[in-house]
Amino acid sequence: AQKVTQAQTEISVVEKEDVTLDCVYETRDTTYYLFWYKQPPSGELVFLIRRNSFDEQNEISGRYSWNFQKSTSSFNFTITASQVVDSAVYFCALSSVAGGFKTIFGAGTRLFVKA
Amino acid sequence: DGGITQSPKYLFRKEGQNVTLSCEQNLNHDAMYWYRQDPGQGLRLIYYSQIVNDFQKGDIAEGYSVSREKKESFPLTVTSAQKNPTAFYLCASTKASRGGADGNGYTFGSGTRLTVV
Repeated sequence: AQKVTQAQTEISVVEKEDVTLDCVYETRDTTYYLFWYKQPPSGELVFLIRRNSFDEQNEISGRYSWNFQKSTSSFNFTITASQVVDSAVYFCALSSVAGGFKTIFGAGTRLFVKA
Repeated sequence: DGGITQSPKYLFRKEGQNVTLSCEQNLNHDAMYWYRQDPGQGLRLIYYSQIVNDFQKGDIAEGYSVSREKKESFPLTVTSAQKNPTAFYLCASTKASRGGADGNGYTFGSGTRLTVV
């Protein structure tokens, strides 16, 4: 079975604080892909990043960074120096060979960044 | 610019009525998907289509129907059999990749909010 768990339902921080969103996944496949999406109040999900199971190298893009650890089945997302515009719901997702074309989404973490 | 267009943005359905949500993409993507999002919950897959004239049920297909007569279009009909249709509906597409694993990120539409009145 495949599963994505985002244990944090809501997080509230003050602007300029760093914040980490947790994502834990389950899959029996050796080939799989992990994703993060952002859903602002407008409703449209925006693709942020994709990692494949063979590449555990961490990635940084501006204030965003991702930590992929196969040993703990985690793919955590950190926002450094958060801004009000970062307020959104963030979804972690998993896709694998056995899952075909279906991507499994976590329940999402709602991030509030206060000015 | 390429993208996905969902219409209408808001839709109100009366009891016992069928309604159809539109999803059109000009990205030349092969695969298209319909997801349902309820407050505080993740996205649940309703139906998906990998190629024209073919589609598969997702996890919550009961009370819904789809068609894929054109590559660009994947409309979703919410039938009267769907007893709790009030939700936010998202359409997505992606380039199909070989091997079955969808290694490409999805492009999403802006969604349709359906309310039963």
